[in-house]
Amino acid sequence: KNQVEQSPQSLIILEGKNCTLQCNYTVSPFSNLRWYKQDTGRGPVSLTIMTFSENTKSNGRYTATLDADTKQSSLHITASQLSDSASYICVVTGSSNTGKLIFGQGTTLQVKP
Amino acid sequence: DAGVIQSPRHEVTEMGQEVTLRCKPISGHDYLFWYRQTMMRGLELLIYFNNNVPIDDSGMPEDRFSAKMPNASFSTLKIQPSEPRDSAVYFCASSPSPQSRGYTFGSGTRLTVV
Repeated sequence: KNQVEQSPQSLIILEGKNCTLQCNYTVSPFSNLRWYKQDTGRGPVSLTIMTFSENTKSNGRYTATLDADTKQSSLHITASQLSDSASYICVVTGSSNTGKLIFGQGTTLQVKP
Repeated sequence: DAGVIQSPRHEVTEMGQEVTLRCKPISGHDYLFWYRQTMMRGLELLIYFNNNVPIDDSGMPEDRFSAKMPNASFSTLKIQPSEPRDSAVYFCASSPSPQSRGYTFGSGTRLTVV
């Protein structure tokens, strides 16, 4: 069964600290992996998208890595800010052109002053 | 570009009433998706359209749910009759293609059925 598992479920860090969120998937065949940020009361917003051949992608203080062999991805946040408090969702697309994204349950990050 | 526009932002209705959620996709996006998000189940795909044609509605929970896309710039998700367990946030998303980097979500409609 195609699944996307994220860890930890929730995380609290102090402002200015770094953190890493994990995503493991069993989706096969694989097309791309996305990380979304979802602020409370808003829709998910894309942070990064990586295809099979890419193993790292940065967007400002956000850096995503992908290991397609072990089917693992991570999202690293550097020098966290209060505005980073949100849910981070890992999303995997299979290579069939069905339009279906497979969503992880998300990691809720809280950055405290 | 105004992005994907959903209305209303919030809807409170009584059990048994009909509810209609609306979505305007980004112009030029051929794909439109309806999702439901709850704390228990996360984001679930309900149905998606390609060029206004429903392609996969296997995620629609039951016959009380229906979706239409009469033209390229408008879609509706209707629940009739509504039940308290339908309470959730409903998102619409659009994309030039399923694999596109341009896959964009709207801000959602928070539905509460009392």
